[in-house]
Amino acid sequence: QSVLAQPPSASGTPGQRVTISCSGSSSNIGSNTVNWYQQLPGTAPKLLIYSNNQRPSGVPDRFSGSKSGTSASLAISGLQSEDEADYYCAAWDDSLNDSGWVFGGGTKLTVL
Amino acid sequence: QVQLVQSGSELKKPGASVKVSCKASGYTFSTYRMNWVRQAPGQGLEWMGRINTNTGNPTYAQGFTGRFVFSLDTSVSTAYLQISSLKAEDTAVYYCARGVSDYYQNNWFDPWGQGTLVTVSS
Repeated sequence: QSVLAQPPSASGTPGQRVTISCSGSSSNIGSNTVNWYQQLPGTAPKLLIYSNNQRPSGVPDRFSGSKSGTSASLAISGLQSEDEADYYCAAWDDSLNDSGWVFGGGTKLTVL
Repeated sequence: QVQLVQSGSELKKPGASVKVSCKASGYTFSTYRMNWVRQAPGQGLEWMGRINTNTGNPTYAQGFTGRFVFSLDTSVSTAYLQISSLKAEDTAVYYCARGVSDYYQNNWFDPWGQGTLVTVSS
């Protein structure tokens, strides 16, 4: 059971806009920034969004992130077939006895 | 360019040990923490902990104490993950990932190594 909750799957057709949610608590998303990672099939995760809504160079502006309270979202507009991947949210957790990085369980995005 | 290159796949018997390497290039090794992340087959990502590449001080996440050891060889810009007394449930892909911070102390992982598959089977 992951500390951050993500839907296990999402889907859309080419050109559509899809969103993936990530729900946490006051000790993680509520007090720290959220990062998103994209894992294409058979490859290592890659940084997609950092500090809630910042895109690294090379990441298309079709990808955007937002955060409100203890939840965050990743939006992908103009969906393309190459966006089919697993997406993970992550945040630092300030729990008293066990601080550290926590991840969502991942959302498998299918482009129909 | 900034790059992390990990050692190749390993097949080990239960009870054995394994040492995974992560060689960094393209930046000053001692400036960024190195994190380790586990991904069991078909599962999500799990943070194992990190090592301060300046001091060598490791931090282990819950569930990764005792049999797991992070170490460094700064002369060759390489971080290591050693797992002892291997069990079948240690079968996973292990990733190293550079920890990056900004002025506001926000942090993220970039880049990641390509991953090392460790298979534990008799």
